[in-house]
Amino acid sequence: GAVVSQHPSRVICKSGTSVKIECRSLDFQATTMFWYRQFPKQSLMLMATSNEGSKATYEQGVEKDKFLINHASLTLSTLTVTSAHPEDSSFYICSATLGVAWDNEQFFGPGTRLTVL
Amino acid sequence: GQSLEQPSEVTAVEGAIVQINCTYQTSGFYGLSWYQQHDGGAPTFLSYNALDGLEETGRFSSFLSRSDSYGYLLLQELQMKDSASYFCAVVMDSSYKLIFGSGTRLLVRP
Repeated sequence: GAVVSQHPSRVICKSGTSVKIECRSLDFQATTMFWYRQFPKQSLMLMATSNEGSKATYEQGVEKDKFLINHASLTLSTLTVTSAHPEDSSFYICSATLGVAWDNEQFFGPGTRLTVL
Repeated sequence: GQSLEQPSEVTAVEGAIVQINCTYQTSGFYGLSWYQQHDGGAPTFLSYNALDGLEETGRFSSFLSRSDSYGYLLLQELQMKDSASYFCAVVMDSSYKLIFGSGTRLLVRP
């Protein structure tokens, strides 16, 4: 099946630093990837849609200058949390689609738990 | 804005049947998906309904009524491993963009 990986799985950083999270589709090419954040016991909130070779589309209320997304290839998208602060601590999850599936299934990565001290 | 409502928690016993409802109000709609997520894990796809009616996949079935903006996930022969959070999600458009519901925590008791 389609596998999506994320790296790192867990990161702890100091306030004011930047953190990069990678999302890779391992066995398929993903023209579209999505980034979500999830607070404990809450739902997944879509942050942005990432298309290979073009600028990401951010959801309302998501600061594009704070959450930089790059989708440089068909198998890799990165999310950089710039100047992270404690309120950015969350579970960040990416997903990817095959692009042609009738059921529009999204394949999710295992997530990255970010803790900002 | 977008709105998907689900019950916050459901408890059932092993072997029983449970139904998790979802009502939605969204600016776009291609179909309704259901995902399962165990604590600390990634969401995994369960089912998708684009048309009205019932879709069955093993112990899980999903129903959609587009005219009522309503769907449900039916879990039969519950097992302890089914204890997890279940999310309905609207596929908004051809970009496969998903908007997730608030999630339902299912606890299966022996």
